Amino acid sequence: DAGVTQSPTHLIKTRGQQVTLRCSPKSGHDTVSWYQQALGQGPQFIFQYYEEEERQRGNFPDRFSGHQFPNYSSELNVNALLLGDSALYLCASSLGWRSYGYTFGSGTRLTVV
Amino acid sequence: GQQLNQSPQSMFIQEGEDVSMNCTSSSIFNTWLWYKQDPGEGPVLLIALYKAGELTSNGRLTAQFGITRKDSFLNISASIPSDVGIYFCAGQKGSGAGSYQLTFGKGTKLSVIP
Repeated sequence: DAGVTQSPTHLIKTRGQQVTLRCSPKSGHDTVSWYQQALGQGPQFIFQYYEEEERQRGNFPDRFSGHQFPNYSSELNVNALLLGDSALYLCASSLGWRSYGYTFGSGTRLTVV
Repeated sequence: GQQLNQSPQSMFIQEGEDVSMNCTSSSIFNTWLWYKQDPGEGPVLLIALYKAGELTSNGRLTAQFGITRKDSFLNISASIPSDVGIYFCAGQKGSGAGSYQLTFGKGTKLSVIP
């Protein structure tokens, strides 16, 4: 039973560029949440997708956007990258958007230079 | 964004010793969760607490949900080398705006000396 799969595992981008990160949820899960984890910090909630709609959003600018597809997989897009966007981006899936039972992926390490 | 106050930031202990770490918040949370994160991996859920005052165990791990719903602690008994990692507390409000997102602490980095 596959867990949460994220791609790519590592990525280096230049300031001002755009990036797309991808997530496939755990089998049986229908909700995807994205978190940003800066070095030495705990994860910070970006947003959550359920039924292809953004259900909740954290305190992140509009440069951060997302999408959920009919197969429940999701993308996180970040435009106009800043150096401060360098972080580990974690995807978490759950069954239902009111769940606490999140399964996290191993993350995508984004470095902005 | 908000983060929970987690302490200590790091600790070095001898194998076999017990460990205690805690987490506090200025806000009420209706669910408290404890996660462990190994290098290069995502957080893995250790214990979930749903009720104020609840004490829950998972093997050598014991966690409690504070009566005020603003704090929680995690104890690890008889530590072993594989306990090394970063432990995070997380709260979920369960009602109101931002109800079901997780708010995390900054983590406690545990090192076990054999």
